Amino acid sequence: DAKTTQPPSMDCAEGRAANLPCNHSTISGNEYVYWYRQIHSQGPQYIIHGLKNNETNEMASLIITEDRKSSTLILPHATLRDTAVYYCIVRAPTGNQFYFGTGTSLTVIP
Amino acid sequence: EAQVTQNPRYLITVTGKKLTVTCSQNMNHEYMSWYRQDPGLGLRQIYYSMNVEVTDKGDVPEGYKVSRKEKRNFPLILESPSPNQTSLYFCASSFLGQGVSSGGYEQYFGPGTRLTVT
Repeated sequence: DAKTTQPPSMDCAEGRAANLPCNHSTISGNEYVYWYRQIHSQGPQYIIHGLKNNETNEMASLIITEDRKSSTLILPHATLRDTAVYYCIVRAPTGNQFYFGTGTSLTVIP
Repeated sequence: EAQVTQNPRYLITVTGKKLTVTCSQNMNHEYMSWYRQDPGLGLRQIYYSMNVEVTDKGDVPEGYKVSRKEKRNFPLILESPSPNQTSLYFCASSFLGQGVSSGGYEQYFGPGTRLTVT
């Protein structure tokens, strides 16, 4: 499974969109992009995943570039409760290992 | 309610005293995994299991054992704990796909077990 690169930290003003980038330049054709977040020391929480097309759910949107080498997680209207560490992971459906890395620490500022 | 449970949630023990952290899921997931989380190092995978009686090492397996005798349970065993195993541990589970067209599957995480070895 490919590994990912994320900025270590980002700030976002409350109410604004938070755009979290992820680089996965070695992704292979059968690997999905997943996003999780972890608030304080709780168990990571699934946010969204996608293969090629952009995806949206009630929590966020996922934009994957056409070459699939990078993606952006968008929280459309960030709130203070979105302050967390966000992890981008790539993995095949039959993949075995998960590589979480150190993620991006997002701070939403009032 | 679909969930992953871990016990105990907090444990303080002494070097060399064998311990087991239990993990159980009620979603009939094939895949289960253990992670440890240390400051500045993110989540690192210890062991994972693709199904009953099938386990394999992750990135940091030294000092740990696992077993998967039943689909729902995946205990983590520390035969002789040492202070460098002081950490926050998470268990997780998910379905496994059969190919790229089967879609991706999210992992569900337990609440964590904070272990201190003195």
